[in-house]
Amino acid sequence: DQQVKQNSPSLSVQEGRISILNCDYTNSMFDYFLWYKKYPAEGPTFLISISSIKDKNEDGRFTVFLNKSAKHLSLHIVPSQPGDSAVYFCAASGMGTGNQFYFGTGTSLTVIP
Amino acid sequence: DGGITQSPKYLFRKEGQNVTLSCEQNLNHDAMYWYRQDPGQGLRLIYYSQIVNDFQKGDIAEGYSVSREKKESFPLTVTSAQKNPTAFYLCASNPQGTGELFFGEGSRLTVL
Repeated sequence: DQQVKQNSPSLSVQEGRISILNCDYTNSMFDYFLWYKKYPAEGPTFLISISSIKDKNEDGRFTVFLNKSAKHLSLHIVPSQPGDSAVYFCAASGMGTGNQFYFGTGTSLTVIP
Repeated sequence: DGGITQSPKYLFRKEGQNVTLSCEQNLNHDAMYWYRQDPGQGLRLIYYSQIVNDFQKGDIAEGYSVSREKKESFPLTVTSAQKNPTAFYLCASNPQGTGELFFGEGSRLTVL
């Protein structure tokens, strides 16, 4: 059973506009959430994270929002750049998960110049 | 520089052969992980280890084996019992209980 879900396999956005990537989770034991960016044939690189004690975390053009009651998080990229084109994975972990990390299926973002 | 090194980057194997993927880290991290990525799927956990000489099965451990004899090394063996071994394999590490996963560059295994 998929505990972390990314329901949009792909997203296309015009350069300079906002990209919003969504992620839902089912396990209430998760208390740490992460976003990774991945290019083909490479390992994922860490982008940004958020702890469950916060509802927002910002790092430059990237902002992650967490809605615990809805078990939903989102990654906002503003402004989007062509170099942002990649697959984005959300992941979740928690004290009750034995230090395991659970990943979504990914969203392929294309930023159109 | 500190990081995770996976080798080989590309590997071809005939059906029925075992193959071992190497993962070495110099980050002094306690926890290490092996994930598998298939097209259209997320990263699925094969095995993980939180300390030397101890490891646990992930969601898709069947047909795989690991060892953790040294803190910096966590090799994965893909055995002939693994029915669909062609995939992209990712090794990761994590300082125990904190922070994010750090990933290697991955190993692409193709079974001919």
